[in-house]
Amino acid sequence: DTGVSQDPRHKITKRGQNVTFRCDPISEHNRLYWYRQTLGQGPEFLTYFQNEAQLEKSRLLSDRFSAERPKGSFSTLEIQRTEQGDSAMYLCATPARGTNTGELFFGEGSRLTVL
Amino acid sequence: AQSVTQLGSHVSVSEGALVLLRCNYSSSVPPYLFWYVQYPNQGLQLLLKYTSAATLVKGINGFEAEFKKSETSFHLTKPSAHMSDAAEYFCAVSDQSNFGNEKLTFGTGTRLTIIP
Repeated sequence: DTGVSQDPRHKITKRGQNVTFRCDPISEHNRLYWYRQTLGQGPEFLTYFQNEAQLEKSRLLSDRFSAERPKGSFSTLEIQRTEQGDSAMYLCATPARGTNTGELFFGEGSRLTVL
Repeated sequence: AQSVTQLGSHVSVSEGALVLLRCNYSSSVPPYLFWYVQYPNQGLQLLLKYTSAATLVKGINGFEAEFKKSETSFHLTKPSAHMSDAAEYFCAVSDQSNFGNEKLTFGTGTRLTIIP
């Protein structure tokens, strides 16, 4: 039972289309993270939020990517004009509750396939 | 900048044999270190973590890891492999001094295969 819900779990789209992923932490935490994981690789940091504020963005996050957390609870990650290189698993994570030792609790991920 | 290196992208062991997955880290500040496991088409699940308390850390499913500062290593072991251990394993590091930012840097992963 994950503390982070992601939707959709799978998305197949054609190149050039826009896609949006949603992340809903079950237990609210003021910080929320997005990672990208391509086939055969470890997760790579994309961005993170402290409440509504987006505090850090990786250089992996091109201008086609935009992330929001409008009310400091759920978050969305939108990819515009998708490219085949965007095919990956997009993971959302929040800090584990009751700890301050740096661990993250990950959702099941949203797998994107761009044809 | 912090980083981790996982030696061996694929490891195969026989059921009942010792599992050893290697991780070396690079960090200019005291690190937090983690091992996560990922089953196919799923997210990552925390196996164990090192947070500067005991250097030998025990995790779930019989796994443990030992922090060795002199070797900058945090290898994952399990005495006896089960078929259910077949998965992808990731080592990760974060910065202890960066309070309020849990950004993790992951290794490239090791795929563990268990031979019946």
